[in-house]
Amino acid sequence: GQNIDQPTEMTATEGAIVQINCTYQTSGFNGLFWYQQHAGEAPTFLSYNVLDGLEEKGRFSSFLSRSKGYSYLLLKELQMKDSASYLCAVASGGSYIPTFGRGTSLIVHP
Amino acid sequence: KAGVTQTPRYLIKTRGQQVTLSCSPISGHRSVSWYQQTPGQGLQFLFEYFSETQRNKGNFPGRFSGRQFSNSRSEMNVSTLELGDSALYLCASSLDRGSMREQYFGPGTRLTVT
Repeated sequence: GQNIDQPTEMTATEGAIVQINCTYQTSGFNGLFWYQQHAGEAPTFLSYNVLDGLEEKGRFSSFLSRSKGYSYLLLKELQMKDSASYLCAVASGGSYIPTFGRGTSLIVHP
Repeated sequence: KAGVTQTPRYLIKTRGQQVTLSCSPISGHRSVSWYQQTPGQGLQFLFEYFSETQRNKGNFPGRFSGRQFSNSRSEMNVSTLELGDSALYLCASSLDRGSMREQYFGPGTRLTVT
């Protein structure tokens, strides 16, 4: 099985930077995904990492260290609309079907 | 291009009943996956269909089943409903198998079992 851990809740100030961590234990790693989910809405894809390093996409960046079983999602220049749940998901064991963490609820305040 | 659509959006059923949920993928997408989302367990994979065949199945009892039609539309069925089946059921489509980076979720069906 897999074990995926991420903080339950985080708060941050508008305009600031926040880092959401995700640790996982798995075998046959096939990639790590980050999704954003606003309350009452469907998850939307943010990023995919399969190799170590940092992937930057606008205000969002995602980092992966396979040897440490560790990833983070970095959100810069926070906006109120970034208040949402952020889901970390890992695909492994020869399958590309992701196993999701419980999600981190991010609250951005003025 | 229209997104993934799911019907119905909300549903209330009684314990012991059965329910069928429908998902229409994005036009041209051939892979459809189903997920269950609850506050306690988070988002959990149910099954994936491609070319009318179930390709992967998550760790759910046999009461949960599904199928896919030749036009890629998919349905999932839950028989003998239990209170614990109350959840948001999400469908996601992608162009092909292994296209997790291009997986798009529908708005979900909120099922309440009383």
